[in-house]
Amino acid sequence: GAVVSQHPSWVICKSGTSVKIECRSLDFQATTMFWYRQFPKQSLMLMATSNEGSKATYEQGVEKDKFLINHASLTLSTLTVTSAHPEDSSFYICSARNGQGGTEAFFGQGTRLTVV
Amino acid sequence: AQSVTQPDIHITVSEGASLELRCNYSYGATPYLFWYVQSPGQGLQLLLKYFSGDTLVQGIKGFEAEFKRSQSSFNLRKPSVHWSDAAEYFCAVGEHGTNAGKSTFGDGTTLTVKP
Repeated sequence: GAVVSQHPSWVICKSGTSVKIECRSLDFQATTMFWYRQFPKQSLMLMATSNEGSKATYEQGVEKDKFLINHASLTLSTLTVTSAHPEDSSFYICSARNGQGGTEAFFGQGTRLTVV
Repeated sequence: AQSVTQPDIHITVSEGASLELRCNYSYGATPYLFWYVQSPGQGLQLLLKYFSGDTLVQGIKGFEAEFKRSQSSFNLRKPSVHWSDAAEYFCAVGEHGTNAGKSTFGDGTTLTVKP
């Protein structure tokens, strides 16, 4: 149980375009999902907290108009990187917490974004 | 605010030798603590976690960690390292309550295993 799936695993896009990353909880309902970013040889940094049916809460310094988060259902949150630039190239990882009293979040396998 | 410090950026050990990776945390209450391993280009794999109870936690792949409240530490150990253990290791603290699941990560420790 507690499987979280991200799609795609990797994506290459052209500078100026937008790309959407999906995070799905496969066997539980996730009222809360978290999005992290990891630059090469660095740690994971929380970008935002996504709550089902409400607006995401962004961490300081994260541009909410650039990183659009939608959590429209209990099993799906999406992160859209708008007008991507090479500096947005990174590893994006989501995690999901079980809404039924969950105390921890389970991580997806991550998405490698390369902007060329 | 919570924080995690992994004092060792890079550790090299010989295959078969013992390993200890250090982790110190700062959190206002009893923390939820995690150790993850990440191979290059891969996602995170959970090695073990501590929520409460026995302070010595057993994990996968022969790893264990000990929670020491007095030292605010949660060090990861393995008695005999295998070449396949070479990877990046992250310690993390997880929040409670309404922010349960939200994690703060240390900067990571890169483990190199010599033949």
